[in-house]
Amino acid sequence: GAGVSQSPSNKVTEKGKDVELRCDPISGHTALYWYRQSLGQGLEFLIYFQGNSAPDKSGLPSDRFSAERTGGSVSTLTIQRTQQEDSAVYLCASSPRGEQFFGPGTRLTVL
Amino acid sequence: DQQVKQNSPSLSVQEGRISILNCDYTNSMFDYFLWYKKYPAEGPTFLISISSIKDKNEDGRFTVFLNKSAKHLSLHIVPSQPGDSAVYFCAASDRGTGKLIFGQGTTLQVKP
Repeated sequence: GAGVSQSPSNKVTEKGKDVELRCDPISGHTALYWYRQSLGQGLEFLIYFQGNSAPDKSGLPSDRFSAERTGGSVSTLTIQRTQQEDSAVYLCASSPRGEQFFGPGTRLTVL
Repeated sequence: DQQVKQNSPSLSVQEGRISILNCDYTNSMFDYFLWYKKYPAEGPTFLISISSIKDKNEDGRFTVFLNKSAKHLSLHIVPSQPGDSAVYFCAASDRGTGKLIFGQGTTLQVKP
């Protein structure tokens, strides 16, 4: 497809389990971002990849969160030992420069 | 530390009238500003942007105004249409980093 895709669209997990969220950016976009939106909140920056540079991890809320981007394309956001406060919509965006193009998000629910 | 603030969580206007959404920022290093629109269960979609070298950018019914001295930007939608009902996020970046900082969003409802 032409846009950013994310999978799964919905994920329900139990507290303490690990989850992996996937993002397929638009082909050719060098920058990739992860955000999350908790209920009633704005978009919270998590992590940013730009080309081959070291990622900007300044938004990751704890060391339970990590992300990687393989081959400058697909990215995976991993949350270990999930907690109920991790429940949110996780959004991925890619960018050639300037504006970012968002995927539909993954809704994560931690029971 | 909220660097980008949208102080109005919601706004309701009548169809055909003007909608004005406001956004304030604190970081003087920001040099690029964007507005995104978000429908439920979808990712945000880019609407309009403005560089800090300008004070106005217009695209059809949408106009963004930037007041650098006040660190304030606004989005004007005129005339407003029911299909404009959505959550609007403003965002700002320092082009050197490429990272966008988003406001909390304003829910716009346009009544027929």
